[in-house]
Amino acid sequence: KAGVTQTPRYLIKTRGQQVTLSCSPISGHRSVSWYQQTPGQGLQFLFEYFSETQRNKGNFPGRFSGRQFSNSRSEMNVSTLELGDSALYLCASSLADGRSYGYTFGSGTRLTVV
Amino acid sequence: EDQVTQSPEALRLQEGESSSLNCSYTVSGLRGLFWYRQDPGKGPEFLFTLYSAGEEKEKERLKATLTKKESFLHITAPKPEDSATYLCAVQAPGNNRLAFGKGNQVVVIP
Repeated sequence: KAGVTQTPRYLIKTRGQQVTLSCSPISGHRSVSWYQQTPGQGLQFLFEYFSETQRNKGNFPGRFSGRQFSNSRSEMNVSTLELGDSALYLCASSLADGRSYGYTFGSGTRLTVV
Repeated sequence: EDQVTQSPEALRLQEGESSSLNCSYTVSGLRGLFWYRQDPGKGPEFLFTLYSAGEEKEKERLKATLTKKESFLHITAPKPEDSATYLCAVQAPGNNRLAFGKGNQVVVIP
């Protein structure tokens, strides 16, 4: 079956701009989580959505936001980009709490802010 | 705050040379401990979930074990294709977020 699809794969933006990243989960998965991965901090949790509702939120500034649609597809938005926002943004989907079968990650969107 | 520390940060092994990776964690009530494998340019790939101390799981040359304070990922007779970064993560009760360690980068030399 198709995996988690993230678009675009690569993105270059200028400081101050905003960006929207997209994630299509595995069919039937209702939970979508977003993570930021950097060499210094590793993987850090951004937020999780389940049935269009944000269930959990990590310690990121309000410039980072997200949403989930009725078909479980999710988007995350970063406004007023800063150089430090350059990272690999990963989306993960699961049936519910991810315990039994884990969270399935996409290949990520590599965001570079210049 | 949930904390996960992985050691060693990097490991070079000869093909066939077995070794273990360590994941020490601090969490208020462990809901699950996850091991993932990540190849360059790709997202993490799920390997195991462990739920309680004493539990063990195996997959090919990999075996994960869990105690109340740490988990080990044993790699038996590794092959070059086992080269990857191995990530450990914990999940606490009440939420579905994963707190990740920074990973063990493993290189297996033929």
